[in-house]
Amino acid sequence: EVKLVESGGGLVQPGRSLKLSCAASGFSFNDYWMGWVRQAPGKGLEWIGEINQDSSTINYTPSLKDKFTISRDNAQNTLYLQMSKLGSEDTAIYYCAREDYGGLAYWGQGTLVTVSS
Amino acid sequence: DIQMTQSPPSLSASLGDKVTITCQASQNINKYIAWYQQKPGKAPRQLIRYTSTLVSGTPSRFSGSGSGRDYSFSISNVESEDIASYYCLQYDNLPYTFGAGTKLELK
Repeated sequence: EVKLVESGGGLVQPGRSLKLSCAASGFSFNDYWMGWVRQAPGKGLEWIGEINQDSSTINYTPSLKDKFTISRDNAQNTLYLQMSKLGSEDTAIYYCAREDYGGLAYWGQGTLVTVSS
Repeated sequence: DIQMTQSPPSLSASLGDKVTITCQASQNINKYIAWYQQKPGKAPRQLIRYTSTLVSGTPSRFSGSGSGRDYSFSISNVESEDIASYYCLQYDNLPYTFGAGTKLELK
């Protein structure tokens, strides 16, 4: 069974940084592209970016490229999202997802990030 | 970026109805569209990929169609468990983009 478990969310002050993790299990992690999606409270879904199997290709949505960094550790079956210069607009649930030929096929349960002083 | 115009924003249906949601892309997306269901407090779940391919476990009352810029998603015989929000996603071009969502409610 594919399982994705995000962690690292919480309350963070504006301007600070935060690193999220996504632990993967139930599949061969290093065979798949992985991605991040976020959802602000009561709003729609926003694609953040993706990373390929060996981290040689990382794509971001342009508006987040300068403040978010995606990485992965295949030995630990873990995906990461480093977020910097956080503002209130970054308050959201952050989901990791496994990509297949059909887009974002499997999703974690999400981790909530709240940016507030 | 490709814009995905999803309509309607909300939909009210009775049990057993057929409902249809549409997504129009700002350019041809070559059928690379997926549809997701999201229930309150839960992660999105993929129902359909590549326009019309049902993901394993998706009931046959769900369907998708379309080509070029115009795509639709339908639920025939709406059941109570279908009450949720639905989103389209284009994955033809980077950055991937979602529609704004459709909230399906019971009439």
